[in-house]
Amino acid sequence: KQEVTQIPAALSVPEGENLVLNCSFTDSAIYNLQWFRQDPGKGLTSLLLIQSSQREQTSGRLNASLDKSSGRSTLYIAASQPGDSATYLCAVRGNEKLTFGTGTRLTIIP
Amino acid sequence: DVKVTQSSRYLVKRTGEKVFLECVQDMDHENMFWYRQDPGLGLRLIYFSYDVKMKEKGDIPEGYSVSREKKERFSLILESASTNQTSMYLCASSRIDRDTEAFFGQGTRLTVV
Repeated sequence: KQEVTQIPAALSVPEGENLVLNCSFTDSAIYNLQWFRQDPGKGLTSLLLIQSSQREQTSGRLNASLDKSSGRSTLYIAASQPGDSATYLCAVRGNEKLTFGTGTRLTIIP
Repeated sequence: DVKVTQSSRYLVKRTGEKVFLECVQDMDHENMFWYRQDPGLGLRLIYFSYDVKMKEKGDIPEGYSVSREKKERFSLILESASTNQTSMYLCASSRIDRDTEAFFGQGTRLTVV
C-alpha cells in the first residue's frame, strides 16, 4: 500500500528566503506526482504536476523535482512572500487513485 | 477556467439524518472522487467513479454511498449521519488518462450534532 510522508509538518521562514518542502513515497510505481496548496478552510489548488518520466517542473517561483527511484520529490519556493503561507500537500497517482501526504504548514514571517 | 463545484460550503446536520453532498464538474472528466480530510490523518479516499453508474470503494467507504447518474455529477450520501462523520469533504475530478492532473472543489465542512 502506498504511503506518502511530508516532513516537516510545519515550517516558518522569514520573508524573502528560499525554501524546500519534502515529500517521500514508498512505492515507485507511480504515474505522476502533484503538488497542491490549501488555504485554511478551503479546497486544494493544483500547483505543479510532474509525470513519472520527468525530473522537474517549473511555474513562476515554484520548482518541483521528482526522483522516482528513490521515492522523493521536493518543492522549491524562491523568494518567499507572506502570500505563500498555506499548507502544501503532495499526492502520487497510482492507477486511478491519488494518495496524499499529510502536508507541510508553511508560515512566511513578514 | 476549469471548475469543480460543491453544493455547500458549510452544513450542519443531526445524528441519524440522511445527508447528500453534491459535486459538479464542467470539464467532461471521466473520473470523480470523494475524499474526507481530518487533522493528522490527511485526505482519505471514500469512493471514486470512472464512468457513469460505475463506482469503486476507496479506503474508508463504511457509512457512505455514492451516486453518479450523469457524467458531470457525483453525489456522496451519508445514509445515517454520525458524529464521527464530522469532517471536511472534498470532491475532485480528473481525466481517465493517468498523466493528467486532478482538480478539487472548494470543500464542504460538515458538522453532525
